[in-house]
Amino acid sequence: TQLLEQSPQFLSIQEGENLTVYCNSSSVFSSLQWYRQEPGEGPVLLVTVVTGGEVKKLKRLTFQFGDARKDSSLHITAAQPGDTGLYLCAGAGSGGSNYKLTFGKGTLLTVNP
Amino acid sequence: EAGVAQSPRYKIIEKRQSVAFWCNPISGHATLYWYQQILGQGPKLLIQFQNNGVVDDSQLPKDRFSAERLKGVDSTLKIQPAKLEDSAVYLCASSSTAGADTQYFGPGTRLTVL
Repeated sequence: TQLLEQSPQFLSIQEGENLTVYCNSSSVFSSLQWYRQEPGEGPVLLVTVVTGGEVKKLKRLTFQFGDARKDSSLHITAAQPGDTGLYLCAGAGSGGSNYKLTFGKGTLLTVNP
Repeated sequence: EAGVAQSPRYKIIEKRQSVAFWCNPISGHATLYWYQQILGQGPKLLIQFQNNGVVDDSQLPKDRFSAERLKGVDSTLKIQPAKLEDSAVYLCASSSTAGADTQYFGPGTRLTVL
């Protein structure tokens, strides 16, 4: 079983602060995805990282995939209240005909105005 | 483009009762997934369909859970009989193919078993 551990589990910050959340595993993934889930909604894909060491930026969000493809981080610069939500990482296995995702438990982020 | 539709959005039942959830994926998407998300946890895959065939149901509790996608479009997930530990949000997702890297999730059905 491939397990993904996310930290911290909860994070409450003030608007304008920076933050980093982590996603770690002992297993290697072919790719890793980050999702944001808002209350009463399903997760929405933010980014997919595939190559070890890859860095992707999405406005104020920076995603990094570890060199060994076992871990990832999400950094948010100057957080806004609209960034509030549950951030989930999900690793994909061997791909091919079955793109099975294994999700972490998530980091619940609250950005206070 | 319409997203993944699910109904009902909320359901409250007593233990040992039966319940069914419905999902309509994005038009043209061949792959459909059902996930269970217990409070405080990430989604866990229950079953994956490719058209109307089952690709992976290794984590589906088959003694009480069943799912079908008869015509390769809509899908129904059933629980019979429900247990207290089945209280969760049931998410449906779809993707264009089994190898596609983007899954689109519906809003989920929140089930409470009393």
